[in-house]
Amino acid sequence: AQKITQTQPGMFVQEKEAVTLDCTYDTSDQSYGLFWYKQPSSGEMIFLIYQGSYDEQNATEGRYSLNFQKARKSANLVISASQLGDSAMYFCAMAGGLTSYGKLTFGQGTILTVHP
Amino acid sequence: DGGITQSPKYLFRKEGQNVTLSCEQNLNHDAMYWYRQDPGQGLRLIYYSQIVNDFQKGDIAEGYSVSREKKESFPLTVTSAQKNPTAFYLCASRGTSGRFNEQYFGPGTRLTVT
Repeated sequence: AQKITQTQPGMFVQEKEAVTLDCTYDTSDQSYGLFWYKQPSSGEMIFLIYQGSYDEQNATEGRYSLNFQKARKSANLVISASQLGDSAMYFCAMAGGLTSYGKLTFGQGTILTVHP
Repeated sequence: DGGITQSPKYLFRKEGQNVTLSCEQNLNHDAMYWYRQDPGQGLRLIYYSQIVNDFQKGDIAEGYSVSREKKESFPLTVTSAQKNPTAFYLCASRGTSGRFNEQYFGPGTRLTVT
C-alpha cells in the first residue's frame, strides 16, 4: 500500500519570498512517480511538477522545484518568488509499481496563503 | 483546444435518485479516472479505465458505476446505494506512452444530495 503524508495543514508566506511545502511518502515499490498539483478555490486540479524515482536530478518547472530525498522518502515542493496567485491548496501525489496503471494516491493537502 | 469537460458544474438531487456525471476528453488519452473529494480532504479513486470496454474498481467504488463505450467518454453514475454522495467529483485522463505520465483533470462537478 502507498501512503502520502502532508503534515502542514496551512502555510503562510510573504509575497516574493520562497516557501517549502512538505511531503513524505511510503511505498514498497522500486519504481514510482511523484507529483504535485495545485487546486485553486475554483476546484480545478493543475499539474505542477513530476519526479521519477530513478531521476537523479531534482525536477524544476519555472518557479517550482521538487526537493527529492529518496533515502528520507520525501518530495518537498519549493515555490520561489511567491505570487498572490499562488494562494491555493497544494497536493502531493504518487503513482507506484509496474501495474499501478497510473493510479494516484493523494495526500491531505496544504493550504498556502500568500500575503502582499 | 484539447482538454477534459465535465458537466454539469453543479448538480442537485433528491436522496434515492441515481445521477450520472459526464466526462469527455479530446486528448486522445487511453486512461481515464474518477476521483471523489470531500471538503478539506485529498482525492480518492472511485474507478479507472485503461482502455475502451474495460474498467476497474478503485478504493471507494461501492455505490458507483461507470461505463467506457468510447475512448472519449467515461460517465460516472452515483447510485442510491451510495450512502454519502454529496461531494466534489473530478474526472482525469492520462496518456499511456510513459510509465508515470501526469493526469489531466476536468473542472469537476459538485454534487449535492438532499
